[in-house]
Amino acid sequence: RKEVEQDPGPFNVPEGATVAFNCTYSNSASQSFFWYRQDCRKEPKLLMSVYSSGNEDGRFTAQLNRASQYISLLIRDSKLSDSATYLCVVNVLSGGYQKVTFGIGTKLQVIP
Amino acid sequence: NAGVMQNPRHLVRRRGQEARLRCSPMKGHSHVYWYRQLPEEGLKFMVYLQKENIIDESGMPKERFSAEFPKEGPSILRIQQVVRGDSAAYFCASSKGTAPFPNTGELFFGEGSRLTVL
Repeated sequence: RKEVEQDPGPFNVPEGATVAFNCTYSNSASQSFFWYRQDCRKEPKLLMSVYSSGNEDGRFTAQLNRASQYISLLIRDSKLSDSATYLCVVNVLSGGYQKVTFGIGTKLQVIP
Repeated sequence: NAGVMQNPRHLVRRRGQEARLRCSPMKGHSHVYWYRQLPEEGLKFMVYLQKENIIDESGMPKERFSAEFPKEGPSILRIQQVVRGDSAAYFCASSKGTAPFPNTGELFFGEGSRLTVL
């Protein structure tokens, strides 16, 4: 089983739609979680951290379910500019250092 | 406050040559990660370094690849005797360190070095 699993998509959604991505992780000792966004041929950039209580940033909502070992990202009112690949990231503190694992990414294409 | 700087941005090598990719982390960051991304694929972890130490190199191919992060100067990813399959984007990221969580979780990426092997 992969350490971090994501559906690669692509998810093709119309403008204004709501879309949700899930990501599962295998290590129950994982401690921190993030969503990154990567535009085509660009570097990944942090979109948001994911907290146990869930967190929201504008149209974006991230949630963590430790019992089921998955995190989710919800995007409301999709914009054309949301088209990108969304990377799930899981950190584990191991031997005093953080091990950072990226999922393969889920590709989102917002259609006019 | 400059971000993570990678150079060269683009590098063309012929088969059998050596490629050296450099990464200067953000100011105040002592941890460096290297990732490889093949076209239309995800980020693959290669190596994690702290100053003068390799912490985790579990993602590094056993041959031809090496990495260092000296006390002074940038981190270097070195690929010897390149082959066509080494053509990829190589991203470097830096972070502050390990404590306290979760504040150190964010990785800051450079713009990547795109290696093309002819």
